[in-house]
Amino acid sequence: AQKITQTQPGMFVQEKEAVTLDCTYDTSDPSYGLFWYKQPSSGEMIFLIYQGSYDQQNATEGRYSLNFQKARKSANLVISASQLGDSAMYFCAMREGDGGSYIPTFGRGTSLIVHP
Amino acid sequence: EAGVAQSPRYKIIEKRQSVAFWCNPISGHATLYWYQQILGQGPKLLIQFQNNGVVDDSQLPKDRFSAERLKGVDSTLKIQPAKLEDSAVYLCASSLRIAGGSSYNEQFFGPGTRLTVL
Repeated sequence: AQKITQTQPGMFVQEKEAVTLDCTYDTSDPSYGLFWYKQPSSGEMIFLIYQGSYDQQNATEGRYSLNFQKARKSANLVISASQLGDSAMYFCAMREGDGGSYIPTFGRGTSLIVHP
Repeated sequence: EAGVAQSPRYKIIEKRQSVAFWCNPISGHATLYWYQQILGQGPKLLIQFQNNGVVDDSQLPKDRFSAERLKGVDSTLKIQPAKLEDSAVYLCASSLRIAGGSSYNEQFFGPGTRLTVL
């Protein structure tokens, strides 16, 4: 079974509007961390936001917020006031476990295009 | 602060040849990761080092891939011999330390090496 599922291969949004990128995860471990990364065409992965499984509040970083719904095992990324520079691939990732190794698992990504 | 450095940025080889990639992590970062990202997919962790020791290499195809991190700083990833399916971007990342589960531990990624095997 997929540990991280990103069901939207591609998304379009108009500049200045908000967009939500979906991510669902699968784990039986009570301790885990969820990450979102942006990968522009240059190829470098850029960390955006982090949510720990025990965090009570949804994470926010500037225009990025993570809509964490633990019971539904979803961790959607919300980008407010989209900018042309937000056009990129976006990856959701999860890291499980407090013991042993901490292999992070990435989803297949969502391509976001922001148009003027 | 300098970021994670990788070289070369691009490499084209024929199948059955050998290739090596180099990574220099951010100064002071104890943990180093190598990922393989096949076109259209997310990165897949190949190997994880803590200083110069291997923490996890369960997803490394050890019959052809090898990696080392001498002196706990720079790292090299080698493929010998290469196959067509090894065509991918190889990403190196580093973090201050290992942190599991819900502990925050940001990884910083390098620009990657794009490998094409013909």
